[in-house]
Amino acid sequence: AQRVTQPEKLLSVFKGAPVELKCNYSYSGSPELFWYVQYSRQRLQLLLRHISRESIKGFTADLNKGETSFHLKKPFAQEEDSAMYYCALNTNAGKSTFGDGTTLTVKP
Amino acid sequence: DAGVIQSPRHEVTEMGQEVTLRCKPISGHNSLFWYRQTMMRGLELLIYFNNNVPIDDSGMPEDRFSAKMPNASFSTLKIQPSEPRDSAVYFCASRTGRNTGELFFGEGSRLTVL
Repeated sequence: AQRVTQPEKLLSVFKGAPVELKCNYSYSGSPELFWYVQYSRQRLQLLLRHISRESIKGFTADLNKGETSFHLKKPFAQEEDSAMYYCALNTNAGKSTFGDGTTLTVKP
Repeated sequence: DAGVIQSPRHEVTEMGQEVTLRCKPISGHNSLFWYRQTMMRGLELLIYFNNNVPIDDSGMPEDRFSAKMPNASFSTLKIQPSEPRDSAVYFCASRTGRNTGELFFGEGSRLTVL
């Protein structure tokens, strides 16, 4: 069975500091991986997906199949980045499984 | 498009009562998902449908929970009878592809069972 693990429930950094939100997965097939973000009082929305290999709002994530990881990184955190972040995996059958989420707080 | 629409946004009910949550996916989307969000367990997948057919309901907690999708534009999640431990935010999401692609979420239904 597939599984997504986000080891940190809470993460706090100062503005301008680098931030890394960890995500590890277990799945025997070829995964499709995503990061979703939920800002305060807003609905969950896509931040980025691994096949796009793009940077959104300064965030990047690289799929490391050897380490089965898809960590989210940003070199300089901003206060507006404070939100809940979810890592998610699509299986070949289309099932979308989420991690438990990490609440990021960026302090001024 | 208004996006995925869920109702009610908030529901407060007493233990033992029936609760029905509703979802209207984005027009043209082929897959629909129901999730439950709690502080302790994060975002749990309850059930998902492809082309109105339930594909995987292994996340449904117990027989008190049931979900239907009578047509491509409507789905319900029912809890009968409700219990205090069912209190959570329930999200509906849809996507274009049956097996791939991003999910588009509704605003959620916050359920409180007293």
